[in-house]
Parts: sequence; C-alpha cells; structure tokens
Amino acid sequence: GENVEQHPSTLSVQEGDSAVIKCTYSDSASNYFPWYKQELGKGPQLIIDIRSNVGEKKDQRIAVTLNKTAKHFSLHITETQPEDSAVYFCAAPKAAGNKLTFGGGTRVLVKP
Amino acid sequence: EAQVTQNPRYLITVTGKKLTVTCSQNMNHEYMSWYRQDPGLGLRQIYYSMNVEVTDKGDVPEGYKVSRKEKRNFPLILESPSPNQTSLYFCASSPGQGRVVIGYTFGSGTRLTVV
Repeated sequence: GENVEQHPSTLSVQEGDSAVIKCTYSDSASNYFPWYKQELGKGPQLIIDIRSNVGEKKDQRIAVTLNKTAKHFSLHITETQPEDSAVYFCAAPKAAGNKLTFGGGTRVLVKP
Repeated sequence: EAQVTQNPRYLITVTGKKLTVTCSQNMNHEYMSWYRQDPGLGLRQIYYSMNVEVTDKGDVPEGYKVSRKEKRNFPLILESPSPNQTSLYFCASSPGQGRVVIGYTFGSGTRLTVV
C-alpha cells in the first residue's frame, strides 16, 4: 500500500524566514497531494493541494512542489508568521484513489 | 456553515463498555472516513465509506465498527473498548471526484480515554 514519509518531525524558524517540509511517497500511481494544517485543539484543515499534472502551485505565502520522478513533494512557507505555528501533514492516495495516507506530521514553531 | 460535526468532544470510559462516536456532515459529501491520531504516528485511517451502505476497512480497523445508513451520518462504534484505543479521533468527509478522495473536511475531533 501507499507509504508516506514526512520530514522533519519538528521545525523551528525565526519569524520572517522560510520553512520547508518534505514528503516522499511510494505508490507511483498517486496523482493528488494535499497538505493540511492542524492548529491546537482543532481538526486538520486543507491549505493547498497539487495534482500530478503540474510541478508547482502557489497560494500567497505557501507553495507546493512536486517531483513525480523522485516521488517527493514539498511544502514551502515564506515570510513565516507566528500564526503559521501548527502541525502540518502531507498526504497521498493509493492508486485507486479511495484511501488517503498521511505522513507523520511536522510541528512548526515560528519564533517571534 | 459547511461542517463536519463530531460528538462528544471528550469521553472517558471503562474497558468493555460499548460506545458510539457520532459524525454528521451537511455538505452532501459521498465519502466519509474515520482516522485516529496518536503521537508519532500521524493520522491512521480506521474505516471509510464511499457512499450509503458502502463501507471498507482502512489501515487500523481492528476493534471498530461503522455504519452508513444515511449519507450525512457515519458513526464509529467501539463494541468493547480497550486502553489501546485511547486516542484522538477525527471524522472527515470529501465530495470525491469519481473514486479519488480530494479536499477532506475534518471534524474537530473526539478525545477518547479508555481506563
């Protein structure tokens, strides 16, 4: 089945710096890659996603890049702010698309 | 407001006492799923449902049951809870595109403690 590995598990950055989280997946047929943000005491919330027919997608200060050959995708947060502090999860579907496997999560701390 | 509603938010129970965690969505989504979140293990899928009366096992289904009698509701049942089922549980729904799960909306979570 699909195996998703996420690194690093914790990330501390200074406010204003960039943060990068990387995920690798095993199922080469996966074609949809979402990222979720989980704030304390809340459920995960979808922040950005990318399909396999594009290599990069941006939404204001966040961007996701995809390398299908290497089977990895990354989340980039620029000009980090304290409200970016949260746990971030990547995910990838199995080939059939009906099951979403999540990475282990990255706890991001933005220091003011 | 479009949302997934889980109840209860917190639950402490004793080993062996049957319990049900309810989940309801108001977005007319076909796909619903249950996950458990444990430290260091991320989110692991318990069960999912592609539509009414269609359910299937996720990666960690042992000790759980589900039902999908109506489109909006997807309860999680623990027939005989054990301490290793102490966890944070999330229900999620998705409109899907064909068989592809996209754009999950998650509930706020249910923190279950089994003593």
